[in-house]
Amino acid sequence: AQKITQTQPGMFVQEKEAVTLDCTYDTSDPSYGLFWYKQPSSGEMIFLIYQGSYDQQNATEGRYSLNFQKARKSANLVISASQLGDSAMYFCAMRHRDTGKLIFGQGTTLQVKP
Amino acid sequence: DTGVSQNPRHKITKRGQNVTFRCDPISEHNRLYWYRQTLGQGPEFLTYFQNEAQLEKSRLLSDRFSAERPKGSFSTLEIQRTEQGDSAMYLCASSLTSGIAGELFFGEGSRLTVL
Repeated sequence: AQKITQTQPGMFVQEKEAVTLDCTYDTSDPSYGLFWYKQPSSGEMIFLIYQGSYDQQNATEGRYSLNFQKARKSANLVISASQLGDSAMYFCAMRHRDTGKLIFGQGTTLQVKP
Repeated sequence: DTGVSQNPRHKITKRGQNVTFRCDPISEHNRLYWYRQTLGQGPEFLTYFQNEAQLEKSRLLSDRFSAERPKGSFSTLEIQRTEQGDSAMYLCASSLTSGIAGELFFGEGSRLTVL
């Protein structure tokens, strides 16, 4: 069975600083996809970044980068130059190879301080 | 707007009543997923469709829950005889691809409050 673990219920970061949100995963599949989504208080799930298990390089999307350590089964999200609008809940997720469904972690609430 | 659309956005009902939520996915997406999310938790998978076929149902989907996607386009999620424990956000997502790549596109959710 696939499992995602996010051990940080809440994080604070000063505006303009970088922050790392932790994610570890467990799967027996050799092929998997890892995702990060942002959920503001309004409720919509916003896709941020994707990393495939066979990708050689860590994924980057603007201020978001994914620190993928396959041997440690971790896929941490790094947000650089935090902005007030980054305050939200962040979810790490793994996509099931056969069904395509996403399996989510418990989430981390990020608050950016001015 | 061509994103995933969910209606209603909010529903308040009394215990024992039936409620139905509708999801309109992105038009060319053949996969449609329903999730339930309670406050402060991650979304939990309920069920998914490939075109009109319902291919998997979670154990969370009790007999009081039923989902349909009659023509492979929009989908409905019905909850019969609602209970207070059904209070949650119900999220719908769609995707074009199967497999490990390609994100799921989510709607804004339907928030259910059972009094």
